[in-house]
Order: sequence, then structure tokens, then C-alpha cells
Amino acid sequence: EDKVVQSPLSLVVHEGDTVTLNCSYEVTNFRSLLWYKQEKKAPTFLFMLTSSGIEKKSGRLSSILDKKELFSILNITATQTGDSAVYLCAVYTGTASKLTFGTGTRLQVTL
Amino acid sequence: KAGVTQTPRYLIKTRGQQVTLSCSPISGHRSVSWYQQTPGQGLQFLFEYFSETQRNKGNFPGRFSGRQFSNSRSEMNVSTLELGDSALYLCASRRLAGEAETQYFGPGTRLLVL
Repeated sequence: EDKVVQSPLSLVVHEGDTVTLNCSYEVTNFRSLLWYKQEKKAPTFLFMLTSSGIEKKSGRLSSILDKKELFSILNITATQTGDSAVYLCAVYTGTASKLTFGTGTRLQVTL
Repeated sequence: KAGVTQTPRYLIKTRGQQVTLSCSPISGHRSVSWYQQTPGQGLQFLFEYFSETQRNKGNFPGRFSGRQFSNSRSEMNVSTLELGDSALYLCASRRLAGEAETQYFGPGTRLLVL
């Protein structure tokens, strides 16, 4: 059965800190990995990663995939209170019909 | 461009009843997927529809069913509701069905079964 594991489960940091969120996966027929941010409602898309070693960046957020070691990290620099959310990692496998999600990392940024 | 919309946003039902949830994808998107989100199990895939055909189905009982119409709008139905069906039901759409296609989520329907 496909499995996506995120760590840590939750994290509390001070505004301005840098955080690294981890996502590892054990799946058959990997296609791509996606990161989402979920506040109180729908997950919003952050990144899609398909190739190893190529960093994707968007402002203070960046992510990279290692297909040999089967993991991805999401970095957030200079955190702000608005970054407080659950960060979800998900993987497309097989026919890329379904996303298998991890349980998420709950990030709280305090003043 | 308008995002994915879902109706209703909130719903309260009692055990044994049935419910139908609706999802309108982003204009031009032909694939619609449904997910159930609960605190204990996280986000779990229910099924995906593309061009009115079900492409894939998750590990849910037959009480969960869906369909897609020619305009790509989708409905999911849950019959004989159980307390454990209380959850946030999310719909996601993408333009085509492939691994390079990002799924965009709607706001969800929160279902409470009493």
C-alpha cells in the first residue's frame, strides 16, 4: 500500500525563524510530489516536483525532491504568522489518477 | 477564473439517510476527484471522474458513489449514512488527467451525521 509520511507532526516557531518540513514516501510507480497549504478550508497548491535535485521557489518558500532517497523537504524562511497552517505532502502514483496524502505538519508561528 | 465550487457548504443528516454533494470544477477542467478528510485518517481519495467516466476508486464501501455530467460537474452520493461518515468532503479539479496536472481544491462540504 502506498504510504506518505510527514514529520514533524506539529511545530511551533517564532516569527522570523526558518523551518524545514519533511515528507518521505514509499509508493509504487511514483509520478510526482505536491505540496499544499491548508488553513481552515481548502488546501491551496504550493509546488509540484517531478525531478530530483531541482529546487522550486516561491518567495520565502522552497522545495526539493530526492527520488533516490524518496523524500522531499519544504523550507520556509523568515516565517510570518500568516504561515501558520497545516502543510500537506501528496504523491501521484501509477496512472496519476489519485493523490495519496500524508497526515500533514501543523505549523504555528508565534510573535 | 472562478475556482472550484461545492454545494452545500454545510450539511447535517441523521444515520440511515442519504446525501448528495455537488462540485463544479474550474472552467475547462475535465477531471474531478473527491476526497474525504477526517482528523483521524487525514485526506483520503474517494474517486476520480474524467469525461464522465470513473478512472479510479479508493478503498471506500459501495455506499459511496459518484457521477460526472457532460459539463464536467460532478456529484457524489452517500447512502445509508453512518456516524463515521462525518467529515469534510473535498472536491478537486484539474484540466486533464495526468501527473503533470495540478489538482485545485474547492472549499469543501462539511457533513455532520447525528
